[in-house]
Amino acid sequence: KNQVEQSPQSLIILEGKNCTLQCNYTVSPFSNLRWYKQDTGRGPVSLTIMTFSENTKSNGRYTATLDADTKQSSLHITASQLSDSASYICVVTSSKNTDKLIFGTGTRLQVFP
Amino acid sequence: ETGVTQTPRHLVMGMTNKKSLKCEQHLGHNAMYWYKQSAKKPLELMFVYNFKEQTENNSVPSRFSPECPNSSHLFLHLHTLQPEDSALYLCASSNGLAGGGGDEQYFGPGTRLTVT
Repeated sequence: KNQVEQSPQSLIILEGKNCTLQCNYTVSPFSNLRWYKQDTGRGPVSLTIMTFSENTKSNGRYTATLDADTKQSSLHITASQLSDSASYICVVTSSKNTDKLIFGTGTRLQVFP
Repeated sequence: ETGVTQTPRHLVMGMTNKKSLKCEQHLGHNAMYWYKQSAKKPLELMFVYNFKEQTENNSVPSRFSPECPNSSHLFLHLHTLQPEDSALYLCASSNGLAGGGGDEQYFGPGTRLTVT
């Protein structure tokens, strides 16, 4: 069964600190992996997208990594800001069924001053 | 702003009411989607429309009825809902069917629905 699991479920950090969010998936065959940021009361917004051949991609203070062999991805946030408080959702697409996105349950990040 | 708008942003309705959710995309996309987001659950795909034609109905109960009059507008008609239908309903659009590394889905802000 195609699944995406994220950890931790929630995370609290102080402003200025770094953090790393994890995503493990069992989706096969793999097409791509996206990280979305969802602010409270808003829809998800894409941060990064990676295909099989990419193992690192950055978007400002956000850096995503992908290990297609172990089927793991991480999202690293550097020098966190209060505005980083949000849910971060890992989304995987299978090349066998490209019309469906497989969503993780997300990690709820809270950044405190 | 993502170019996808949804109205209303919040809706409270009784189980015997009939209401509609509206989604509009200003991105020139041809595919539109309805998702349900419940607390602590992954987003659930409900319906997919491509060039106004429904291409996916993910075993959604008939009390949810979608309508896509054109590629820019998508509605979700609601009737005789249950309290467990309370959730955030998200609309999205893309340049084609999702996936393949290129067809990014852009989400609206959602409608927070409460069924009493």
